Amino acid sequence: EDKVVQSPLSLVVHEGDTVTLNCSYEVTNFRSLLWYKQEKKAPTFLFMLTSSGIEKKSGRLSSILDKKELFSILNITATQTGDSAVYLCAVVGGATNKLIFGTGTLLAVQP
Amino acid sequence: DAGITQSPRHKVTETGTPVTLRCHQTENHRYMYWYRQDPGHGLRLIHYSYGVKDTDKGEVSDGYSVSRSKTEDFLLTLESATSSQTSVYFCAISERGIRWSYNSPLHFGNGTRLTVT
Repeated sequence: EDKVVQSPLSLVVHEGDTVTLNCSYEVTNFRSLLWYKQEKKAPTFLFMLTSSGIEKKSGRLSSILDKKELFSILNITATQTGDSAVYLCAVVGGATNKLIFGTGTLLAVQP
Repeated sequence: DAGITQSPRHKVTETGTPVTLRCHQTENHRYMYWYRQDPGHGLRLIHYSYGVKDTDKGEVSDGYSVSRSKTEDFLLTLESATSSQTSVYFCAISERGIRWSYNSPLHFGNGTRLTVT
């Protein structure tokens, strides 16, 4: 069965800390991996990764994919309270090219 | 923000009643999706549409039906609501299908919180 597993389930950090969120997957016919940030409402798109070893970067956020070891990490440097959210990882793949979501990592950034 | 409006934002209904949730988009995207989000589960696909009058089932479609009579509107109907359908429902859109999401990621609406008592 195709699956996406995120870790940790939750974490609490202080402003200024650097955090690393993990996403591992077992998905047949892998096509791409996506990261979303979900605050109280809609998940908002952060990154899409298709190739190993190529870092995607947006401000203090960055992400990289390892297709050999089947995982991705999302790094957030110099965290701010506005980074508090659930971070969702999703993989496009499977026999029917579906989007398979992990259950998310809840990040709380304390002032 | 992608132009996606879901209505209603919140709804409480009784078991056995029909319920319709609406998703309206202003982006003229071909693909539209309904997901549900529950604690301990990732977002799960209920149904999706790849054009007007063209729909297909997702992984958790039992008890749900959809209709798309116009590009901009995608309706989700719970034919006879059950307590197991208490959830947050998200509509999403994309220009191209999920297979091509490397250059066409899904964009989500703000969700409808449905409680079935």
